[in-house]
Amino acid sequence: QSVLTQPPSVSGAPGQRVTISCTGSTSNIGAGFDVHWYQQLPGTAPKLLIYANSNRPSRVPDRFSGSKSGTSASLAITGLQAEDEADYYCQSYDSSLSALVFGTGTRVTVL
Amino acid sequence: QVQLQESGPGLVKPSQTLSLTCTVSGGSISSGGYYWSWIRQHPGKGLDWIGYIYYSGGTYYKPSLKSRVTISIDTSKNQFSLKLSSVTAADTAVYYCARMSSVGAQMYYFDYWGQGTLVTVSS
Repeated sequence: QSVLTQPPSVSGAPGQRVTISCTGSTSNIGAGFDVHWYQQLPGTAPKLLIYANSNRPSRVPDRFSGSKSGTSASLAITGLQAEDEADYYCQSYDSSLSALVFGTGTRVTVL
Repeated sequence: QVQLQESGPGLVKPSQTLSLTCTVSGGSISSGGYYWSWIRQHPGKGLDWIGYIYYSGGTYYKPSLKSRVTISIDTSKNQFSLKLSSVTAADTAVYYCARMSSVGAQMYYFDYWGQGTLVTVSS
């Protein structure tokens, strides 16, 4: 049972924009701890997509963007492509658990 | 380009100790500023952080696993290791090693991952 809740799935047609929410609480996101995002393609290890709420590693396309507000964070994918079909996870720190925590994960399907 | 590779037995008997090693290449595990971590993923489930170690040997474990986890480091071999004792079927998972970077206190993220190794706990 994760303390960071994500929608189980989101879908969109190629070229569309989709967003994934990551809802936490006052002991994690709301406490000011940064949120990071990972992409896990089928059968592979996760890869860093966004760090510190809205920063992209140089290899990540600018179609991916992150934001944070209050006790939630969001990942947006614009210009959706078939290669974006994957599972996406948010991650932060929870002060009540004294642990690094991951979100429940969201599967993105390109229609 | 930093690369990480997990190695170890793919099958462990219940009540025994799971042991995995992560070999780091493309960079020194002794270089400051990074932490070295283990994460697992139960079949068909989400990600579960286990703990981390710094090159100096300092460790931090997920409180709910702390009594069973030991992470160690061998800077001469550029490796770090995980031991998880008294395993049960619930410990069956893909185990990943990863490098952690930080942007502040408790602001850790995983920027490089190994490919993962499946460990099954079964008699």
